[in-house]
Amino acid sequence: NAGVTQTPKFQVLKTGQSMTLQCAQDMNHEYMSWYRQDPGMGLRLIHYSVGAGITDQGEVPNGYNVSRSTTEDFPLRLLSAAPSQTSVYFCASRDVGNTDTQYFGPGTRLTVL
Amino acid sequence: KQEVTQIPAALSVPEGENLVLNCSFTDSAIYNLQWFRQDPGKGLTSLLLIQSSQREQTSGRLNASLDKSSGRSTLYIAASQPGDSATYLCAPRSNNFGNEKLTFGTGTRLTIIP
Repeated sequence: NAGVTQTPKFQVLKTGQSMTLQCAQDMNHEYMSWYRQDPGMGLRLIHYSVGAGITDQGEVPNGYNVSRSTTEDFPLRLLSAAPSQTSVYFCASRDVGNTDTQYFGPGTRLTVL
Repeated sequence: KQEVTQIPAALSVPEGENLVLNCSFTDSAIYNLQWFRQDPGKGLTSLLLIQSSQREQTSGRLNASLDKSSGRSTLYIAASQPGDSATYLCAPRSNNFGNEKLTFGTGTRLTIIP
């Protein structure tokens, strides 16, 4: 299994540009989520999904959109990037009903100028 | 709102020593608690998960304990090695079914000195 994969690994955007961060998992996990990690603040939940077609907001959802059309994929969209969105973004999936372990992708480092 | 504190923020110890990392949380109504390690520039790797009904979990040289009533968890690392150098994060998960509510501490940055 590849586990949780994320693309791209690095991205630089200008203020106002849009982009999509890709996330995929091959473990057939129903639960997937997006976090951002900022220095001194720990990881904060942006959006999550409990299954295909179902998404919900986390702690810091403003400026981000998500959709979940398949079990495997959970992309995160920035519609109009702002410097405050400079961060490292992690996608995760959870093995519900078995070990309940959370698995993380390698992250995307985003800089918004 | 759940708040998670990890003390100390950084720790340096000589190789071979046993050490304890601390995690405290404000809301004791948790479903489970997970410990992760994060290497610089990398994602998080799960180390141990303790269910709310458990007191401890062990994996190799790692032992995690949970005292839900007092809002505390510890991660014990035996016979530390340079490869253990990383940031360690704890994350309790709330009881809310269907709510992906994992709250993270800011971590303890551990350095093992050869």
